[in-house]
Amino acid sequence: DVKVTQSSRYLVKRTGEKVFLECVQDMDHENMFWYRQDPGLGLRLIYFSYDVKMKEKGDIPEGYSVSREKKERFSLILESASTNQTSMYLCASSRVGTGAYEQYFGPGTRLTVT
Amino acid sequence: DQQVKQNSPSLSVQEGRISILNCDYTNSMFDYFLWYKKYPAEGPTFLISISSIKDKNEDGRFTVFLNKSAKHLSLHIVPSQPGDSAVYFCAAESYRDDKIIFGKGTRLHILP
Repeated sequence: DVKVTQSSRYLVKRTGEKVFLECVQDMDHENMFWYRQDPGLGLRLIYFSYDVKMKEKGDIPEGYSVSREKKERFSLILESASTNQTSMYLCASSRVGTGAYEQYFGPGTRLTVT
Repeated sequence: DQQVKQNSPSLSVQEGRISILNCDYTNSMFDYFLWYKKYPAEGPTFLISISSIKDKNEDGRFTVFLNKSAKHLSLHIVPSQPGDSAVYFCAAESYRDDKIIFGKGTRLHILP
């Protein structure tokens, strides 16, 4: 059974704190993604990675960075958390290549920045 | 500019009836279209997909129709069941990269 796990389901942080969100997949997928989901805005891509140490900006990378040191792990970093980063954060992974390789999602981390 | 649009934020359907969720896209270069289902406090799960060279794909109660000339696809759920109440995301991808473009989602309520 495929699995994408995220380090926390709920997180409360203060403005200005550095925040780490961890994601691990056990499917040996090459691609990993970080999204945020907000009401009325759907899923927006923050960053994705198609290989270890490789990363590409998505649609809304400002205020975020990522790290992929191992194939199975993809971390999202909020360098200095702000209230407008309060959101549901979703990690996903997929195989590389052509075709409809659907993405498998983790359960999400609901982050509140106060 | 939104490449994948779901113009109905919510939809209510009586249990047992057909649910039809609609999606429009602007990029004719998309090769695959996917539907995801999301329950609160869970990640989205893949539901069904369709290649751009087909016009219909069916999986049990779920059927996706693609009209390339109109750049429109729809998901039909029949019969609708209470467990179908969720947010449904339409998505599209191309062979050129592995990114999926998601719509904003439609919240489906199945009424008893």
